[in-house]
Formats: sequence, structure tokens, C-alpha cells
Amino acid sequence: LAKTTQPISMDSYEGQEVNITCSHNNIATNDYITWYQQFPSQGPRFIIQGYKTKVTNEVASLFIPADRKSSTLSLPRVSLSDTAVYYCLVGISGSARQLTFGSGTQLTVLP
Amino acid sequence: ETGVTQTPRHLVMGMTNKKSLKCEQHLGHNAMYWYKQSAKKPLELMFVYSLEERVENNSVPSRFSPECPNSSHLFLHLHTLQPEDSALYLCASSQLTGDEQYFGPGTRLTVT
Repeated sequence: LAKTTQPISMDSYEGQEVNITCSHNNIATNDYITWYQQFPSQGPRFIIQGYKTKVTNEVASLFIPADRKSSTLSLPRVSLSDTAVYYCLVGISGSARQLTFGSGTQLTVLP
Repeated sequence: ETGVTQTPRHLVMGMTNKKSLKCEQHLGHNAMYWYKQSAKKPLELMFVYSLEERVENNSVPSRFSPECPNSSHLFLHLHTLQPEDSALYLCASSQLTGDEQYFGPGTRLTVT
């Protein structure tokens, strides 16, 4: 199983770019990489998903190297409201395999 | 609006009570999930229903019993719970199992 490993916590300041890396050494060929954001006492919210290279949407970018053994979530110019826990998952459409949220990364944005 | 609703939002129950949590999704998805999140811990997947077929986590105690009467509704029946079952219970749905999940607001359960 492709277990994911992330830093437990990160601090940043408002306006900075934040990069959170996730390791998934045993990722399978057909697995996608998905990132979620969770605020206290709320359900997680989808941020971005990708398979390889780079994906960008209106809130984040996802960088995936050629070997796909890791991925980096990039949040441009963070604000205080980006303080949350960020989770990465690997999984494949149509399968309940790998539906395990790891410990996530607690991002704290400081003024 | 996530399209996934959960009721009740808060529930306090004694260890001998029987209660049910309800989840409804309005997104036309085919998979639904129950997760448990204890304080300052990651989410634990409890059950997955895909096209009304159940995939379960074998570590979930039998005092938790899911029911999925159709692809839009999911229930979690609770009986003889323990204080350590106090947690936030989250429901989610996705088009297919493993796809992007949409979460409900959760039910905060306290067992006394």
C-alpha cells in the first residue's frame, strides 16, 4: 500500500508561498494524488488532484516529479485563513483501496 | 454548499441509548463514506458504500451499523456506545470510490 508521509507541522507568514511535500514511495501506476484542506470541526475540502508533472487551479499548484514518489502542494501568498490541516492521499478511481488519510500537515500562518 | 448534509449536527447520548446518524447527498454520486475523527487525530475510514455494496473496515466495532438504502442516503446506527466513541463523525460522497470526496459538516457525538 502506498502509505503517505508528510511533515507534522509548518509555520509561515502572510503573503509567503508555502510548499508542503508528501512522500508516497509505493505509489501504484494508476494512482492519483489528491490534496485536502481541513479546518477545525469541519469536513475536509478538496484542493487539487494530479497524476504527473504540474497541475494548477485557482487556489493551488501541485508538482509531481517524474518518479511520482512524492508530490508538493504549493499555496501562493498565504493568508491567515489558510491556517488548516492539509492531507495528501493516493488512490485510484473505482477502488476503496488506499482511502487512508494520514496525519496531515498543520499549517499555521502568522501575521 | 457542499451538497452533502448530515443530521443531527450535535448528539449527546448515554451508553445504553440507540441513535442514528443520517447523511444525504444531492450530487448524484455513487459512493458514500463514513469517517470518524477523534480529537487531534486523523480521519479513520469506517465504511464505504459503492453502488449500494458495502466495503468495511474490519476494525470497526459491531456497535456501529451502517445502512445505505439508496445511493443518496446513508445512515450510521449506534447502540451501546462507549465514551471513547465520542468524536466527529463525517460523511462524504464521490462519483466513484476513490474519486474526489465531498464532505458533510459532520455530527459531533458525545457519549456520556
